[in-house]
Amino acid sequence: NAGVTQTPKFRILKIGQSMTLQCTQDMNHNYMYWYRQDPGMGLKLIYYSVGAGITDKGEVPNGYNVSRSTTEDFPLRLELAAPSQTSVYFCASSYLLGRTDDTGELFFGEGSRLTVL
Amino acid sequence: GENVEQHPSTLSVQEGDSAVIKCTYSDSASNYFPWYKQELGKGPQLIIDIRSNVGEKKDQRIAVTLNKTAKHFSLHITETQPEDSAVYFCAASGGGTSYGKLTFGQGTILTVHP
Repeated sequence: NAGVTQTPKFRILKIGQSMTLQCTQDMNHNYMYWYRQDPGMGLKLIYYSVGAGITDKGEVPNGYNVSRSTTEDFPLRLELAAPSQTSVYFCASSYLLGRTDDTGELFFGEGSRLTVL
Repeated sequence: GENVEQHPSTLSVQEGDSAVIKCTYSDSASNYFPWYKQELGKGPQLIIDIRSNVGEKKDQRIAVTLNKTAKHFSLHITETQPEDSAVYFCAASGGGTSYGKLTFGQGTILTVHP
């Protein structure tokens, strides 16, 4: 298992540009999440999905969009990039809650470092 | 919404010593409290978690305690080793379908000196 894979690992954008951060998982997890991590801060939830076709906002969704067309993929779209979106972005996944063996653990990718200049 | 405060922001110990990291939370409805370890250039990884119906949980050198009345929980690492050096995050969320909607603390940089 590769786990959670994010691409790209690094990207520099100019103000106003758009891009998509890709995330895929091969663990057949129903739940997927996007978090951002700013320097010296904890992670903040941007968007999450409980299954294909279902997405919902987290704590800091402004300036982002997501889609979930398959169980495996959960891309994060940045429209009109702004310097405030300079951050490290983490995708994560977890099991469908309610299973007897569910621990609640989130499995994180290695992150995508985005700089907006 | 939930707010999680974590202290200290940095912690330096000698190998073999114990390390304690403390967190407080604001939402009394929170009932799931995981701890994640993040090594340089990696994503966070769960090391231990506790649910509100349990006051203490231990896994080898790592233990977590929870005081729901005071709304605080702590991570204890005994017999620290250099490989324990990392950033540690506490987090909180509600139960049920909200397990993964975590509110994280600001993180603690733990350095273990050989």
